[in-house]
Amino acid sequence: SQQGEEDPQALSIQEGENATMNCSYKTSINNLQWYRQNSGRGLVHLILIRSNEREKHSGRLRVTLDTSKKSSSLLITASRAADTASYFCARGGVQGAQKLVFGQGTRLTINP
Amino acid sequence: DGGITQSPKYLFRKEGQNVTLSCEQNLNHDAMYWYRQDPGQGLRLIYYSQIVNDFQKGDIAEGYSVSREKKESFPLTVTSAQKNPTAFYLCASSIALRWYGNTGELFFGEGSRLTVL
Repeated sequence: SQQGEEDPQALSIQEGENATMNCSYKTSINNLQWYRQNSGRGLVHLILIRSNEREKHSGRLRVTLDTSKKSSSLLITASRAADTASYFCARGGVQGAQKLVFGQGTRLTINP
Repeated sequence: DGGITQSPKYLFRKEGQNVTLSCEQNLNHDAMYWYRQDPGQGLRLIYYSQIVNDFQKGDIAEGYSVSREKKESFPLTVTSAQKNPTAFYLCASSIALRWYGNTGELFFGEGSRLTVL
């Protein structure tokens, strides 16, 4: 499957802890993006990392990309209850196409 | 405010009926996309368009049709040939990047939930 794998499928942690989500893929990519989706809503873009970049930060978010292992991770530090959502990675430029291929997502629950 | 508007938010359809989901954007984006999301699943690409009057099939185009007569609009028709149409449908847009295979950030609408009765 082009979609690759995200793990874990679900993650439940206490407020204030860090949350790490992983994304693996099979084919070469141009960039990798992370999105957030609150229940029943559209997706919101969080961060884009290009294939020639290894790490990127945005506020409490840190994304890493290892193209040799075909994997990426999203770290949310000092989690808050409002971070409860599903998080998706999406691969751009899969097989040269101008489209994004999404993973299955990680459902994150932050317990107060 | 700039953004993407999907309508209707909820739609019920009887078996054998065609329905059309609306997607309008005022972001001046060239590229538009339709994704389908099933419960607890990721997004699967139905159709996408990089320019007016042109569109390409995604991974699950069977039973769906689209048109792109205007830059701002990319309606999706779910036909009676789609065997399992109950799902959450998401429309998105992005700038069309200069380099082939380089996909930028997608902006999503709030989705349309279709239920077949």
